[in-house]
Amino acid sequence: DADVTQTPRNRITKTGKRIMLECSQTKGHDRMYWYRQDPGLGLRLIYYSFDVKDINKGEISDGYSVSRQAQAKFSLSLESAIPNQTALYFCATSDSGQGGVHIQYFGAGTRLSVL
Amino acid sequence: ELKVEQNPLFLSMQEGKNYTIYCNYSTTSDRLYWYRQDPGKSLESLFVLLSNGAVKQEGRLMASLDTKARLSTLHITAAVHDLSATYFCAVHSGSARQLTFGSGTQLTVLP
Repeated sequence: DADVTQTPRNRITKTGKRIMLECSQTKGHDRMYWYRQDPGLGLRLIYYSFDVKDINKGEISDGYSVSRQAQAKFSLSLESAIPNQTALYFCATSDSGQGGVHIQYFGAGTRLSVL
Repeated sequence: ELKVEQNPLFLSMQEGKNYTIYCNYSTTSDRLYWYRQDPGKSLESLFVLLSNGAVKQEGRLMASLDTKARLSTLHITAAVHDLSATYFCAVHSGSARQLTFGSGTQLTVLP
């Protein structure tokens, strides 16, 4: 079983709809992240959380919200989806880091299309 | 604001050839990561480089870090088709709480 699980894997929705992408992990990590990937732009950070009570905006948080329901669960919501939110979304986790090393482990991704 | 630039963005190379991918970053950093993404797949960690002059090697891939030049390189030796993927560098500065990724280098190894 995957250590970082994202659901759904694919989603097609319409403009204006509210949708939620979910992420759960069995790695026991404190830190969780949401990224979006667009062709030619690499990965851009949407939100990150270092524990249940520590949630922070990333580079491109407008139009998104998150919920850290438990150490192992971190959900991303699009309150009112728009077509330019069509992208591949990744959840990632990392531990607090031995010696400042924070390798991130990624889920399989959710491909979202907003029509 | 930390900026991370990779070049080239696209690279086609013949099997058996050598090539280097470059990763430049704009502010002081002491931790640099390389990730690989196969087509349609997720990202997997390749290397973590922690200090000036650090060199890591696995198989046909070798990564190095020059913190004074703010440059990391990923060198490919005698490329094989299985190395076809997109390679990302990511930088973690001392004050930042997150990674900043480069745009990625899409490598295609041709027979």
